[in-house]
Amino acid sequence: DVKVTQSSRYLVKRTGEKVFLECVQDMDHENMFWYRQDPGLGLRLIYFSYDVKMKEKGDIPEGYSVSREKKERFSLILESASTNQTSMYLCASRRQEGTEAFFGQGTRLTVV
Amino acid sequence: GIQVEQSPPDLILQEGANSTLRCNFSDSVNNLQWFHQNPWGQLINLFYIPSGTKQNGRLSATTVATERYSLLYISSSQTTDSGVYFCAVSYGNNRLAFGKGNQVVVIP
Repeated sequence: DVKVTQSSRYLVKRTGEKVFLECVQDMDHENMFWYRQDPGLGLRLIYFSYDVKMKEKGDIPEGYSVSREKKERFSLILESASTNQTSMYLCASRRQEGTEAFFGQGTRLTVV
Repeated sequence: GIQVEQSPPDLILQEGANSTLRCNFSDSVNNLQWFHQNPWGQLINLFYIPSGTKQNGRLSATTVATERYSLLYISSSQTTDSGVYFCAVSYGNNRLAFGKGNQVVVIP
């Protein structure tokens, strides 16, 4: 079975802190994604990566950056956390374009 | 980008009832998936269904790619079917876009 693991289930950070959310997959997948989910807005794409060191902006990249130094790990970085980044963050991976995607358990981030 | 619309947004069912959820998309897609979000927030894969019909127990799905829609059928609903159902489409340059979900509540 594909396993996508996010480093934390719940996280509380202070405004202005630098925050790292980590996602690891164990199936040698090329594509990895970061989404945020907010009530009434569904899942919105922040960034995705189609290979090591390759990344593309999604629909809402402002205030975020990403890093993919190794194929199995995709990190989401909040350079200076703000309260409007309080949300549920979901990581996904898939083998390549058009194939089945699998999600991690999600990280509920609260910025105070 | 592509538009993905799910209907109805909210649905309340009596246990044992059947229901149909719909996903419309505005452009050609490479594949389509249905997910169920569990109470802890994780998205659970239900169907990977670019076209045709698939069944898994009480759930089945049909995608008609040429007409740009997919349907998820829930038969003999149970309280454990409650939650949010998402449709996601793969399109364009590696993108994966979601609808806003169908919130389903099954009452005993």
